[in-house]
Amino acid sequence: RKEVEQDPGPFNVPEGATVAFNCTYSNSASQSFFWYRQDCRKEPKLLMSVYSSGNEDGRFTAQLNRASQYISLLIRDSKLSDSATYLCVVNGITGGGNKLTFGTGTQLKVEL
Amino acid sequence: DVKVTQSSRYLVKRTGEKVFLECVQDMDHENMFWYRQDPGLGLRLIYFSYDVKMKEKGDIPEGYSVSREKKERFSLILESASTNQTSMYLCASSRRTSGSFHNEQFFGPGTRLTVL
Repeated sequence: RKEVEQDPGPFNVPEGATVAFNCTYSNSASQSFFWYRQDCRKEPKLLMSVYSSGNEDGRFTAQLNRASQYISLLIRDSKLSDSATYLCVVNGITGGGNKLTFGTGTQLKVEL
Repeated sequence: DVKVTQSSRYLVKRTGEKVFLECVQDMDHENMFWYRQDPGLGLRLIYFSYDVKMKEKGDIPEGYSVSREKKERFSLILESASTNQTSMYLCASSRRTSGSFHNEQFFGPGTRLTVL
């Protein structure tokens, strides 16, 4: 089983739609969870951290479900500028405190 | 603003050449990382360093080495480049980790390396 799994997409949605991505992880001891955003031919950038209680930042909501070992990202009122690849990131199995594992990403395309 | 810079955006080398990729960060971060990113495989960790002169192997260290002589600089070395090392190479840095909790990693713009 992969350490971090994501549906690669693409998710094609109309502007204004609500879209949700899930990501599953295999290490039940993981403590750190993030969503990064990567635009085409650019470097990844942190979108938001994911906390146990769930957290919201404007149109973006992240949730963590430890029992089922998945995290989710909800984007409301999608904008054209939201088109990107969204990377799920979890701290890794080998336990070295400095190592994060990146999912392969879910591609989102927001259309007019 | 955190800034991570990489020495080249595009690089073309021949099989067997020694290749140096340089990364510099200006935020006094303790941790630095080298990844490669390939379609369908995502980002894979090659090496990381949590202090000057310290290094740890990541998931795919074979064929690579690293050097961290100064806190702000982390170099990736391909001792003898091969065609399967053609990839996008991304450097990142972060503040020191606290226990199991990680801090945000800041990435450089990447170096697209082609080995012919």
